[in-house]
Amino acid sequence: DTGVSQDPRHKITKRGQNVTFRCDPISEHNRLYWYRQTLGQGPEFLTYFQNEAQLEKSRLLSDRFSAERPKGSFSTLEIQRTEQGDSAMYLCASSFVQVSSGNTIYFGEGSWLTVV
Amino acid sequence: AQTVTQSQPEMSVQEAETVTLSCTYDTSENNYYLFWYKQPPSRQMILVIRQEAYKQQNATENRFSVNFQKAAKSFSLKISDSQLGDTAMYFCAFAKDDKIIFGKGTRLHILP
Repeated sequence: DTGVSQDPRHKITKRGQNVTFRCDPISEHNRLYWYRQTLGQGPEFLTYFQNEAQLEKSRLLSDRFSAERPKGSFSTLEIQRTEQGDSAMYLCASSFVQVSSGNTIYFGEGSWLTVV
Repeated sequence: AQTVTQSQPEMSVQEAETVTLSCTYDTSENNYYLFWYKQPPSRQMILVIRQEAYKQQNATENRFSVNFQKAAKSFSLKISDSQLGDTAMYFCAFAKDDKIIFGKGTRLHILP
């Protein structure tokens, strides 16, 4: 079990550019989550998938953000026309079944985005 | 809406001491799960302990234990015999309907 992996770990981009982050969940985990974490704050929920279906999106996920999980395995989070306010760590997590049943959610190490 | 409040932004204790981190939450739900997560400087979040709301017995995992007061909506974490490796951000979290909602965290420093 290799854990949740995220790529890239760090990204510096100029304002207005597009960026894409990839997340590979633990194999056989059908739920995949994206969170955003800024310095001094706890992770904030962005969206989640059950297999390839995107089941919920937070208000935080503006129309510049899009997430996909095309084959129910890895996921991508794309941010278009980046703004300085997008600078944060983007955390991916996965779980085997729903977390409301108390199942453990496993986090990746995160992808740091700095928009300059 | 569910909210999670951690009132201690930062704490420091000497190694081997016991420390308690506070957490309160707000929900109208009756059954739910509560968690404490640890985020060390390497940044990967790991689960420390979990508590199901309908269980009255407080959860314990080795040196980590909770004091769950459902009526007061309080869920504190006690770390006994603290170790240098316990230095981290600690997040209290609430799970319902496939989402985990986190507090803002408490930065804990264990001093040698």
